[in-house]
Amino acid sequence: KNQVEQSPQSLIILEGKNCTLQCNYTVSPFSNLRWYKQDTGRGPVSLTIMTFSENTKSNGRYTATLDADTKQSSLHITASQLSDSASYICVSRSGTYKYIFGTGTRLKVLA
Amino acid sequence: EAQVTQNPRYLITVTGKKLTVTCSQNMNHEYMSWYRQDPGLGLRQIYYSMNVEVTDKGDVPEGYKVSRKEKRNFPLILESPSPNQTSLYFCASSLKDREVDTQYFGPGTRLTVL
Repeated sequence: KNQVEQSPQSLIILEGKNCTLQCNYTVSPFSNLRWYKQDTGRGPVSLTIMTFSENTKSNGRYTATLDADTKQSSLHITASQLSDSASYICVSRSGTYKYIFGTGTRLKVLA
Repeated sequence: EAQVTQNPRYLITVTGKKLTVTCSQNMNHEYMSWYRQDPGLGLRQIYYSMNVEVTDKGDVPEGYKVSRKEKRNFPLILESPSPNQTSLYFCASSLKDREVDTQYFGPGTRLTVL
C-alpha cells in the first residue's frame, strides 16, 4: 500500500533554533518527493521537489534530503523564525498523476 | 498576480442541496486537481484534469463531479451533498503534470454539510 508517514506529529522550538522533520515513504513506482508548507487556514505552498537522482535541495533556510535506498526524506529548517510556524507536508508522487500526502508535522516556533 | 482562486471560501449547506465550488487559475496551466483535507488523513485527491475536456478520478471521487470546459476553470460539483463530505477543499494547478512541475494551491473552501 502506498503511504507517506511523517514524524513528529508536532514540534515546538525556540526562535533561532534549527529543527529536522522526517518523512518515510512507501510508494511504488516512485517518481519524486515534495515538501510543502501550509499556514493555518491557507493552501499548501511548495518548498522543494526532488527526483530519484537528487539527494539534497535547498530553498533559503529550508534544506530537504532524500535517501532513495532507505525511502526516507528530511526537511531541515535553519535559524527558525516565528513565520516558520506552520504545518509541513511531505508528498510523494507515484508514477504519473498520483500524489500521496503525509498527514504533516505541525511546527510551532516560540519567541 | 498569478494565483488560484476558489469560491466560496466558506459554505454551510444541508444534505441533498446541490452545490458548486468554483476554481479558477490565471497562469494558463494545463493540469488542475481537487483535493479534500480531513484531520488525521492528509490531503486526498478527488479528481484531476490534464487539459480541457480531459478529466479522471483520483482516490476519493464518490459523490463528486467535475468539468473542464475552459482551461482556466475547474468547478467541483456535489450533486447531493452528505455530512461525510464536510471537509476543507483545495483546488490546485500546475503548468503540466511533468515530474518537476510545481503545484499551486488555492486558498481552500471550508464546507459544512448539515
